[in-house]
Amino acid sequence: GAVVSQHPSWVICKSGTSVKIECRSLDFQATTMFWYRQFPKQSLMLMATSNEGSKATYEQGVEKDKFLINHASLTLSTLTVTSAHPEDSSFYICSARKGGPRAREKLFFGSGTQLSVL
Amino acid sequence: DAKTTQPNSMESNEEEPVHLPCNHSTISGTDYIHWYRQLPSQGPEYVIHGLTSNVNNRMASLAIAEDRKSSTLILHRATLRDAAVYYCILVSGGDSNYQLIWGAGTKLIIKP
Repeated sequence: GAVVSQHPSWVICKSGTSVKIECRSLDFQATTMFWYRQFPKQSLMLMATSNEGSKATYEQGVEKDKFLINHASLTLSTLTVTSAHPEDSSFYICSARKGGPRAREKLFFGSGTQLSVL
Repeated sequence: DAKTTQPNSMESNEEEPVHLPCNHSTISGTDYIHWYRQLPSQGPEYVIHGLTSNVNNRMASLAIAEDRKSSTLILHRATLRDAAVYYCILVSGGDSNYQLIWGAGTKLIIKP
């Protein structure tokens, strides 16, 4: 089956620093990737939709200047949390689908990145 | 807007069948019903999905009500490894209006 690799699995950083999270589709080309955020004991919340070669579409309430998304190739999307603060501490998850999004097709998720900002 | 409702948690004994319900009374005709599960500190994993007919795969079965306002994920013989949070998700749209409506998830507890 299709594999989505997410790196790093966890990261601890100081307040004010930036953190980059990578999401790679290992055996397929993903024209669309999705970035989620999850707080403890809650469901996933969609942050943004990333399309290869174009600007990401952010959900309402998500600061695009704080959460920078780059989808430079068909197999790689990155999320950079800029000037991270303790309230940005969360579990971040990416997902991808082969080709464009279709409701009948299943999604593949990365293993997640636990970000802790001190 | 469409909405999915799931019980917060369920318990089951090991090696017994488990039926996880999901209500989606405002589902539209083109919404697909997807189920994913998530183990602690991991990303969600695909389980099964369908549109109108019941579906079976090696992991589970999906029973969809005739009016499509509810569905049930069936694990035929639960093992300890099936302990996870199970999400029922309505998926709709195509390239420009793709949308996922996530349920809050059901935490499945398996008792040995």
